[in-house]
Amino acid sequence: TQLLEQSPQFLSIQEGENLTVYCNSSSVFSSLQWYRQEPGEGPVLLVTVVTGGEVKKLKRLTFQFGDARKDSSLHITAAQTGDTGLYLCAVGFEDSNYQLIWGAGTKLIIKP
Amino acid sequence: KAGVTQTPRYLIKTRGQQVTLSCSPISGHRSVSWYQQTPGQGLQFLFEYFSETQRNKGNFPGRFSGRQFSNSRSEMNVSTLELGDSALYLCASRVRSSGGPAYNEQFFGPGTRLTVL
Repeated sequence: TQLLEQSPQFLSIQEGENLTVYCNSSSVFSSLQWYRQEPGEGPVLLVTVVTGGEVKKLKRLTFQFGDARKDSSLHITAAQTGDTGLYLCAVGFEDSNYQLIWGAGTKLIIKP
Repeated sequence: KAGVTQTPRYLIKTRGQQVTLSCSPISGHRSVSWYQQTPGQGLQFLFEYFSETQRNKGNFPGRFSGRQFSNSRSEMNVSTLELGDSALYLCASRVRSSGGPAYNEQFFGPGTRLTVL
C-alpha cells in the first residue's frame, strides 16, 4: 500500500513569516505535484518535480524534491494573506499509469 | 483555452434519489478523473476514464458509476444517495493517462457541491 503523509495538517501564522510544509511517501515515486486549493474551488497545480534533489522556485514559493525521491517540501517566504489555502501534494508511480496518490493536505491560514 | 467545466455547481438531493454530474475537460485532454472531497476524508479518487474506457477505479461502492463520451466529456452517477455522499465532487482532466509525468498534470474544475438531506 502506498501512503502519502503531509505535515503539518494545519498551520496558522502571521503575514510576513516564513513556513515549510512537508510531503512524505513510504515508496519511491516517479513524480510529485503540489497543488493549492481555495475554499469552494478545485485544486490548482503549482509545480511538478521529477528529479531527485530538484529545486523549483515560483516567486516566494520554493519546492524541493528529496534526493531519495520519497519526500518533498514547500517553503514559503514572507507569507501573504493570499497564500491562504489547502496545499495538497500528489505523487505518481510509473507502474500504475501515473495514477495520482493524494496526501490529506496542509490547511494554511495567513493572518493579516 | 477554456478550463475544465462542471455542471451543476450546486445540488441538493434527498436520500434515496440519484444524481448525475457532468464534466467537460480541457480541449485535447482525453483523460478525465473524478474525486470526492470531504473535510474528514480529504481527496478520494473515484475513477478515471480515457478514450471512453475506465482505466482506474478507487474504492467506492457500485452506487458510484461513470462514463465518458467520444468527445471526452464525462458524467458521474450516484444512485440511492446516502447522507454520507454529501461532498464536493471534483473532475480533473489530463492529456492522457500514460507516457510520463509531463502528461499526468491534472487540471481541475470548480467542482459540484452535493448536499444530501
